[in-house]
Amino acid sequence: DVKVTQSSRYLVKRTGEKVFLECVQDMDHENMFWYRQDPGLGLRLIYFSYDVKMKEKGDIPEGYSVSREKKERFSLILESASTNQTSMYLCASRGSQGGGSRSYEQYFGPGTRLTVT
Amino acid sequence: QQQVKQSPQSLIVQKGGIPIINCAYENTAFDYFPWYQQFPGKGPALLIAIRPDVSEKKEGRFTISFNKSAKQFSLHIMDSQPGDSATYFCAARGGSARQLTFGSGTQLTVLP
Repeated sequence: DVKVTQSSRYLVKRTGEKVFLECVQDMDHENMFWYRQDPGLGLRLIYFSYDVKMKEKGDIPEGYSVSREKKERFSLILESASTNQTSMYLCASRGSQGGGSRSYEQYFGPGTRLTVT
Repeated sequence: QQQVKQSPQSLIVQKGGIPIINCAYENTAFDYFPWYQQFPGKGPALLIAIRPDVSEKKEGRFTISFNKSAKQFSLHIMDSQPGDSATYFCAARGGSARQLTFGSGTQLTVLP
């Protein structure tokens, strides 16, 4: 069973703090993703990584950065948290193309609900 | 910007009813259309998916109908059960890393 774990389920931070959200997957997947989920807006892609040390901006990268030093771990960093970054953050991983009808399946972690006050 | 538009935002049906959730997309380069199901406190999980070369796919009580010319696809849940109460997201895959673009979600409630 694929497992994607996120370091915290709930997090409360103050405006201006530096925030680290950690994600670990155990399936040796090449691709990892960070989304934020907001009511009425669905899931919006912040950043993704297709290999160690590689990263690409998603649709809403402003105010965020990422780090992928090891294949299994993908970190989302809020350099200076702001109240408009209060949200549910979801990490996901996906293998490479090919191999089975569900080879493109993206597996999600349980999410981290971040509140910035 | 790539977009996937989903409706309705919320849906309430009686047990045994057939809820239908609709999605529309703009980018004809999308090549894979999954539906994800999310229960409270959990991350989304893949429910069913379709490629644009077929018009319908069925897995158990869940069916995707796909209309390539209209750029629309929909999820039907046959004989819906209270346990189907969840948030459903449609998505479409495209882009340089074949990333998913998600719809805004539909909160489904199935009354007993």
